[in-house]
Amino acid sequence: EAGVAQSPRYKIIEKRQSVAFWCNPISGHATLYWYQQILGQGPKLLIQFQNNGVVDDSQLPKDRFSAERLKGVDSTLKIQPAKLEDSAVYLCASSLDSGAGANVLTFGAGSRLTVL
Amino acid sequence: AQSVAQPEDQVNVAEGNPLTVKCTYSVSGNPYLFWYVQYPNRGLQFLLKYITGDNLVKGSYGFEAEFNKSQTSFHLKKPSALVSDSALYFCAVRPHMLTFGGGTRLMVKP
Repeated sequence: EAGVAQSPRYKIIEKRQSVAFWCNPISGHATLYWYQQILGQGPKLLIQFQNNGVVDDSQLPKDRFSAERLKGVDSTLKIQPAKLEDSAVYLCASSLDSGAGANVLTFGAGSRLTVL
Repeated sequence: AQSVAQPEDQVNVAEGNPLTVKCTYSVSGNPYLFWYVQYPNRGLQFLLKYITGDNLVKGSYGFEAEFNKSQTSFHLKKPSALVSDSALYFCAVRPHMLTFGGGTRLMVKP
């Protein structure tokens, strides 16, 4: 089966600019996740969708980050305006279950953001 | 709140020797525990998981992990390390959101 697709793989922007990342999950996976992985740290959940509804966005910096999954399939994560501390890899993942079970998350290759 | 701790930033082991990467967790209720591996410029890849049952779980590439409820630990092990096992390893816990530890870099030297 096709994996989780993400684009772009790399993005370099200046602070205060905006950026958007796209994710297409595995077909049939109801739950989609965006994680932020800062260099040297473990991934941190930003937002979790089940179909097109938000399940958890408690760690999303809502003053600058937004995400949507309008048709319950692919998703976009946007940062506007970017700060230096947003430099990280943004990982998208998907899973079959509702998000509270034992199903495995399948991750995409990630989008690496550098903010100058 | 649930959390995961990986006390070692880096583990060094010689090829052919056994390896252990440590993980402890804190969660209310019964945990679902996972190990993922990350190679350079790649996403996280699933290695193995514990849900219930046998405390020794076998996974991909010869890895296994031992669940210890009394010590709230889920250490990753392999009887004989390979140079190609060198990577970043993450322990993670559910239910609720999947929460990751900070990662342990495994370096296997020839």
